[in-house]
Amino acid sequence: DARVTQTPRHKVTEMGQEVTMRCQPILGHNTVFWYRQTMMQGLELLAYFRNRAPLDDSGMPKDRFSAEMPDATLATLKIQPSEPRDSAVYFCASGSRTDSPLHFGNGTRLTVT
Amino acid sequence: QKEVEQNSGPLSVPEGAIASLNCTYSDRGSQSFFWYRQYSGKSPELIMFIYSNGDKEDGRFTAQLNKASQYVSLLIRDSQPSDSATYLCAVILNRDDKIIFGKGTRLHILP
Repeated sequence: DARVTQTPRHKVTEMGQEVTMRCQPILGHNTVFWYRQTMMQGLELLAYFRNRAPLDDSGMPKDRFSAEMPDATLATLKIQPSEPRDSAVYFCASGSRTDSPLHFGNGTRLTVT
Repeated sequence: QKEVEQNSGPLSVPEGAIASLNCTYSDRGSQSFFWYRQYSGKSPELIMFIYSNGDKEDGRFTAQLNKASQYVSLLIRDSQPSDSATYLCAVILNRDDKIIFGKGTRLHILP
């Protein structure tokens, strides 16, 4: 059963530290989306890729967040330096084409103290 | 105006009744619409997708789309306690293919 894999599942870190979250999309999927979910804001789109090319990252704080796809099997989201307000669940999701539904990973629960 | 809007709820429905969840969107050119279910502490899972005006049925679930009025709805027949969850509406924006989610409606099925 194909699924999106995210690591780590949980991350607790101190303010100012670098955080790297990884995502392995479903094999053959060509779109990858990063979302952040909080109780207040719901699912917020941070960045998305098609065929590994970044299409939009306007949802990310540019000074501290970066998203990349070094190859078709790996997407990364980095926060440097992390802040307590970054505490949230970060989801990666992939899709087989532009108009297809997304399949979500289990998320990374980030806590910044 | 938010791009995708849902009533946050909670929506309480007696077991066995029909639950009706609604969503409106602002991008008139949007063509693809999705409903996801999310249990507490879990990731969203796809329930239905709909691309054409009208109704689409899958088991106890029916998605309804009205592009002229810019709303999409989800009906759950014969509601079960296991249907208690947050339901998320998602829309692919026509202008840039972003997939935007509403904040979700919390549904509570009363046994």
